[in-house]
Amino acid sequence: DTTVKQNPRYKLARVGKPVNLICSQTMNHDTMYWYQKKPNQAPKLLLFYYDKILNREADTFEKFQSSRPNNSFCSLYIGSAGLEYSAMYLCASSREEGGAETLYFGSGTRLTVL
Amino acid sequence: GDSVTQTEGLVTLTEGLPVMLNCTYQTAYSTFLFWYVQHLNEAPKLLLKSSTDNKRTEHQGFHATLHKSSSSFHLQKSSAQLSDSALYYCALSGASSGSWQLIFGSGTQLTVMP
Repeated sequence: DTTVKQNPRYKLARVGKPVNLICSQTMNHDTMYWYQKKPNQAPKLLLFYYDKILNREADTFEKFQSSRPNNSFCSLYIGSAGLEYSAMYLCASSREEGGAETLYFGSGTRLTVL
Repeated sequence: GDSVTQTEGLVTLTEGLPVMLNCTYQTAYSTFLFWYVQHLNEAPKLLLKSSTDNKRTEHQGFHATLHKSSSSFHLQKSSAQLSDSALYYCALSGASSGSWQLIFGSGTQLTVMP
């Protein structure tokens, strides 16, 4: 089973309120990622976990937090949502295949901030 | 940092016609290029990947050849099918902001008409 699951599928949030998105995988992959996708833009890497080590991109460092309580789960947390956070959020996990990390994606959570 | 360019945001074709989606890249380090496909309401899935110069890679009727001399990895198919309608991402395993990551192009939405 090469499934990455994301919940919820759609999320509505108010400006200034916190948002928590959930991702899970049962493939025992060491690395899990969160990407942000806006219309007509490339998916943008926000952060990734290698095992228990969190790596956050410099330009989004203060905007997003994450936790990985075990190998299977990873969350994305927004402390105070702004309108600019409205986007599709894609979670992925990866394993090395043929010399390169191959990513397996979830179907995404579409966040709308009002 | 490394980058991927997909020049066409939207491509509309009639069923049975050939498909060609353009992808060029810029990298100082990487040799791995990928094509991911995302059908409506589904997760992005790996379609093709390659690291070998001038070698044709094929999967599910699609093919691509990595040309390092022109920094290109165009996706092709001889005859489009209705089921090929999807969002196609070209991606590079490369470096950005000092960390390794999968760097995506902005995507090409392919619509195949009857």
